[in-house]
Amino acid sequence: GENVEQHPSTLSVQEGDSAVIKCTYSDSASNYFPWYKQELGKRPQLIIDIRSNVGEKKDQRIAVTLNKTAKHFSLHITETQPEDSAVYFCAATPRYSSASKIIFGSGTRLSIRP
Amino acid sequence: EAGVAQSPRYKIIEKRQSVAFWCNPISGHATLYWYQQILGQGPKLLIQFQNNGVVDDSQLPKDRFSAERLKGVDSTLKIQPAKLEDSAVYLCASSWGNQPQHFGDGTRLSIL
Repeated sequence: GENVEQHPSTLSVQEGDSAVIKCTYSDSASNYFPWYKQELGKRPQLIIDIRSNVGEKKDQRIAVTLNKTAKHFSLHITETQPEDSAVYFCAATPRYSSASKIIFGSGTRLSIRP
Repeated sequence: EAGVAQSPRYKIIEKRQSVAFWCNPISGHATLYWYQQILGQGPKLLIQFQNNGVVDDSQLPKDRFSAERLKGVDSTLKIQPAKLEDSAVYLCASSWGNQPQHFGDGTRLSIL
């Protein structure tokens, strides 16, 4: 079945610097890649998503890139702020499932140093 | 719009006891999901409903877990009997069509 690997598991950056989180997926037919942010004790919240017909998508300080050939996608956060501290999960839709089923990576704990 | 509602927020039980969680999805969302999130891991899908029918329950430990969504709206997830390894946060999510999933705040279950 689909497998999603996420790196790094923890990431600490200076406030104002950029943060990059990388994920790989196993099923070349995967077509939808959402990113969720989860603050301590809170629900996962969708922050950005990308579909397989697009190579890059940006929303203010957040961007996601997709390389279908290499089967990897990345989250980029620029000008990081203290409120960006959270756990970030990448996810992908596997092939032989309903369109809305997604498989999550193991998460990256991002800490922003003041 | 109102979000996905879950209750209770916290539950502590002893092993071998039973427990039930409740979820009310966003109004109009036909698809409902239950996830198990063990500390330090990503959510793992347990079961997916489309209206009141099961779409995917391949990861549900059916010897002890059960779920229902009788009227295609609210859903309950039950564990009987509970084991220590069931300690986790149980998240409910809902979606409409191929739109993104929206999550509830979850129920944190601790097994003693």
